[in-house]
Amino acid sequence: DGGITQSPKYLFRKEGQNVTLSCEQNLNHDAMYWYRQDPGQGLRLIYYSQIVNDFQKGDIAEGYSVSREKKESFPLTVTSAQKNPTAFYLCASRPTGEYGYTFGSGTRLTVV
Amino acid sequence: AQSVTQLDSQVPVFEEAPVELRCNYSSSVSVYLFWYVQYPNQGLQLLLKYLSGSTLVESINGFEAEFNKSQTSFHLRKPSVHISDTAEYFCAVSGSGGYQKVTFGTGTKLQVIP
Repeated sequence: DGGITQSPKYLFRKEGQNVTLSCEQNLNHDAMYWYRQDPGQGLRLIYYSQIVNDFQKGDIAEGYSVSREKKESFPLTVTSAQKNPTAFYLCASRPTGEYGYTFGSGTRLTVV
Repeated sequence: AQSVTQLDSQVPVFEEAPVELRCNYSSSVSVYLFWYVQYPNQGLQLLLKYLSGSTLVESINGFEAEFNKSQTSFHLRKPSVHISDTAEYFCAVSGSGGYQKVTFGTGTKLQVIP
């Protein structure tokens, strides 16, 4: 079945360490997105990519970086510059011409 | 700029009772509207969407939402809820015509009481 795979589901890191969250899709969708979810704040857009080798900052890109070398993959790196990285991270994709997202099951990052 | 307001952070309702989850939006352009559902520790799933045409849209599991342009609302309703409907529901808005940024509301937790 087609879908979005996020791994790992739970991730623990020490403060000051960079960490990379994986997002892989086999839906042949062009556009991919990273959102951060915090309790009571809804979803906030970190980065998005509408085509391979191109990506744009969202509303809260500071302290994060991404790459889009393959259509299927859109990894997110949470750097040590992100002041409050503990959150639930969601990856999503969307086919060109459609207006609803398909989401992955998320990665819960805890920084201690 | 656009925004979405979900005034109710939590809505408790007894099983088999009707429910309405409220969503109001603000936008200076024509909009597309969405409802997503999130079960604990999972991603969001698209429940239904309004793009154009009939202002009443329905999902396969009995939910419906009505686009009301004059009241800038897109409330989600179900005439009889089930325990399995317990989840968090997010309203979202984007501008219409080509890809536009999607803005999500802060979510409403629906708790169905047996």
